[in-house]
Amino acid sequence: EVQLVESGGGLVQPGGSLRLSCAASGFTLSSYTMTWVRQAPGKGLDWVSTIGPGGDTHYADPMKGRSTISRDISKTTLYLEMNSLRAEDTALYYCAKSVPGRAGFDQWGQGTLVTVSS
Amino acid sequence: EIVLTQSPATLSLSPGERATLSCRARQSVSSSLAWYQQKPGQAPRLLIYDASNRATGIPARFSGSGSGTDFTLSISSLEPEDFAVYYCQQRGSWPWTFGQGTKVEIK
Repeated sequence: EVQLVESGGGLVQPGGSLRLSCAASGFTLSSYTMTWVRQAPGKGLDWVSTIGPGGDTHYADPMKGRSTISRDISKTTLYLEMNSLRAEDTALYYCAKSVPGRAGFDQWGQGTLVTVSS
Repeated sequence: EIVLTQSPATLSLSPGERATLSCRARQSVSSSLAWYQQKPGQAPRLLIYDASNRATGIPARFSGSGSGTDFTLSISSLEPEDFAVYYCQQRGSWPWTFGQGTKVEIK
């Protein structure tokens, strides 16, 4: 069974850093495009970052230069390292697995909440 | 950035009625568009990938159509569990983007 479990969220002060993790099971992490999506409280979905099977990475403009997506194959874990956090980064962060070569995320985790506040 | 505009923002319908949701892209995304359903407190669920393909386990009452800039999600006969928020999302070009959502509520 495919499963994604996020962790690492919490309360952080403005300007702080956080590393989110997404533990993957039931499939080979390195063979799929993996994405982070966030949702601010009461708002819609925002694409954050994607890593392809070949290791290519892409970032939404608000996160460029402040975040790094990576994966540890041996630990079957996806990461999102975020720096210089701002209040507007407060959101529930989901990791999601893509349908191979298709438009659509077919598996989602339950999300981990990041709150940026002093 | 490709902006996706969903309409209407809210759709008030009764169970058994047909729902038609629209997603328009500012520029062509070919068929690289997906639809999701999200209920309160839950992660989104993939309904349609590549504009018109139902995801695994999705009932036949859900259908997607369109290509280029105009897309439609149809629910042929609303069931009580279908009242939720629906999002479209494109992967035609970077950055990938989501629409702002359409809420389907009980009339």
